Amino acid sequence: KAGVTQTPRYLIKTRGQQVTLSCSPISGHRSVSWYQQTPGQGLQFLFEYFSETQRNKGNFPGRFSGRQFSNSRSEMNVSTLELGDSALYLCASSLGLAGEQSSYEQYFGPGTRLTVT
Amino acid sequence: EDQVTQSPEALRLQEGESSSLNCSYTVSGLRGLFWYRQDPGKGPEFLFTLYSAGEEKEKERLKATLTKKESFLHITAPKPEDSATYLCAVCNFNKFYFGSGTKLNVKP
Repeated sequence: KAGVTQTPRYLIKTRGQQVTLSCSPISGHRSVSWYQQTPGQGLQFLFEYFSETQRNKGNFPGRFSGRQFSNSRSEMNVSTLELGDSALYLCASSLGLAGEQSSYEQYFGPGTRLTVT
Repeated sequence: EDQVTQSPEALRLQEGESSSLNCSYTVSGLRGLFWYRQDPGKGPEFLFTLYSAGEEKEKERLKATLTKKESFLHITAPKPEDSATYLCAVCNFNKFYFGSGTKLNVKP
């Protein structure tokens, strides 16, 4: 069974630009979550999508947005990039929502390394 | 405020030297506590989910336990390949909060 895939793996952008990251979950998984990982802040939850609907959102500005398609694939968009947006962006998939399953397992992709210059 | 604290930040062990990693948490309405392993340049790898105090789970040399305030990841007779950063996370009504991790280095 193929794991979670993320594209692109590496990206370099300039301040003020926007970027779109893509995530393909494990086949059959309907929930996709996005995280930002930085050395200073660690792993921080961005948002979670389930059945094309955003179910939960972390404490990030509106410049960070996402969507999920009918095949469960998800995209994350960051507009008006800032230097502080440089990070590893991780996508994770699971069968359902964490709070609604008796046995919950979440699988991460390899991440997209975004560098903003 | 919901939060997760892991200790120690870094741990160096000799091969075969057993030890424990700690994850203390404060969360309203715990829906699950999760342990992950992360190798450099890779995404976290799922290890365990624990749901209620007293629950224990094992996988090879790893054993995770849970109380009402903390979780321990016990590593028995570690090998160099166990070297990684171990992350703990809690889920509260579908939001995840991660600790900063414990970086484990096992020397041969």
